[in-house]
Amino acid sequence: GENVEQHPSTLSVQEGDSAVIKCTYSDSASNYFPWYKQELGKGPQLIIDIRSNVGEKKDQRIAVTLNKTAKHFSLHITETQPEDSAVYFCAATVGHQLIWGAGTKLIIKP
Amino acid sequence: KAGVTQTPRYLIKTRGQQVTLSCSPISGHRSVSWYQQTPGQGLQFLFEYFSETQRNKGNFPGRFSGRQFSNSRSEMNVSTLELGDSALYLCASSFSPSGGPLNEQFFGPGTRLTVL
Repeated sequence: GENVEQHPSTLSVQEGDSAVIKCTYSDSASNYFPWYKQELGKGPQLIIDIRSNVGEKKDQRIAVTLNKTAKHFSLHITETQPEDSAVYFCAATVGHQLIWGAGTKLIIKP
Repeated sequence: KAGVTQTPRYLIKTRGQQVTLSCSPISGHRSVSWYQQTPGQGLQFLFEYFSETQRNKGNFPGRFSGRQFSNSRSEMNVSTLELGDSALYLCASSFSPSGGPLNEQFFGPGTRLTVL
């Protein structure tokens, strides 16, 4: 079946450095790619999303890039802060549902 | 505006029992989706309800069912519980004019189900 692969599963970066999380998808018809952040004890929260007619989108320290030819998209977080520590999920539409990556645990070292 | 609420937050059941989980969406949201979250597996889509109708369904057995009421509140039922059903069950609502996943989903805190 269709799937979304997410790497790495754990990412540890120094505070102030950048973090990059990558996802690949298999369905060439996918047209919506959200990123969610999940903090301990809470449900996921949307932090940024991108649609297939756009190659890049930025929102302050967060950016997402999409390469439809290669079927991969990435989340970039610059100037990381302690509050960025969380689990991040990518997802892609397959038909009428979202297929999710397995998640990346981002650890910000002081 | 109040967020998505889920009850109960924690539940312990034994194999063979059944369970009902409840979700109240954000006011004005007509789409409610349910997900199963297990460690290392991400979120697995169960089903989506829109205006009391199941619009989409994931690849789960018939033991998993749901419904949506006229006020958009939704319930999920799991019958004949198995050990593998232990998970965090998340509900998400969205303002989606025609249903489907193309709009921001607002998640509740989840119900942690443990099957012994």
